[in-house]
Amino acid sequence: GAVVSQHPSWVICKSGTSVKIECRSLDFQATTMFWYRQFPKQSLMLMATSNEGSKATYEQGVEKDKFLINHASLTLSTLTVTSAHPEDSSFYICSASGQGKNSPLHFGNGTRLTVT
Amino acid sequence: DAKTTQPNSMESNEEEPVHLPCNHSTISGTDYIHWYRQLPSQGPEYVIHGLTSNVNNRMASLAIAEDRKSSTLILHRATLRDAAVYYCILRSDSSYKLIFGSGTRLLVRP
Repeated sequence: GAVVSQHPSWVICKSGTSVKIECRSLDFQATTMFWYRQFPKQSLMLMATSNEGSKATYEQGVEKDKFLINHASLTLSTLTVTSAHPEDSSFYICSASGQGKNSPLHFGNGTRLTVT
Repeated sequence: DAKTTQPNSMESNEEEPVHLPCNHSTISGTDYIHWYRQLPSQGPEYVIHGLTSNVNNRMASLAIAEDRKSSTLILHRATLRDAAVYYCILRSDSSYKLIFGSGTRLLVRP
């Protein structure tokens, strides 16, 4: 089946630094990728939709200057958390959609970010 | 986005069938019904999806009501590895987005 690889699986950083998370579709081309965050005991919250070759579309309340998204190729999207603070500590999950409007979403295994 | 309603939690015995319900009374004609599940500390995993007809795959079956206002995910023989949070999500034909609700936490007793 289709595989989405997310890296790193966990990261610890100091407050004020930036962290980049990569999301790769390994065996299919993903024109659209999604970024979610999930706090403990809560559901996934969609942050933004990443389209290859164009600017990402952010959900209401998500700061685009803080969560920079780049989708430069059909197999790679990156999320950079800039000037991270402890409240940004969360589980970040990417997903990718294959060809076809109703193909399933394939999810990465998530990145656990801890900001100290 | 049309919303879904699921029970917060359900319990099952191992090797017994499990029926996970989902209500989506505001579903539109072009909304597909998707099911995903999430094990602890992992990303969600696709389970099954359908539009109008019942669907079967190696993981589960999806039974869709005739009026499409509800659906049921059926795990034919629950195993301990099926313990997860199951999400029922409507996905519009015009949008790729998946908006997650709170899901159903399935506990499987050995």
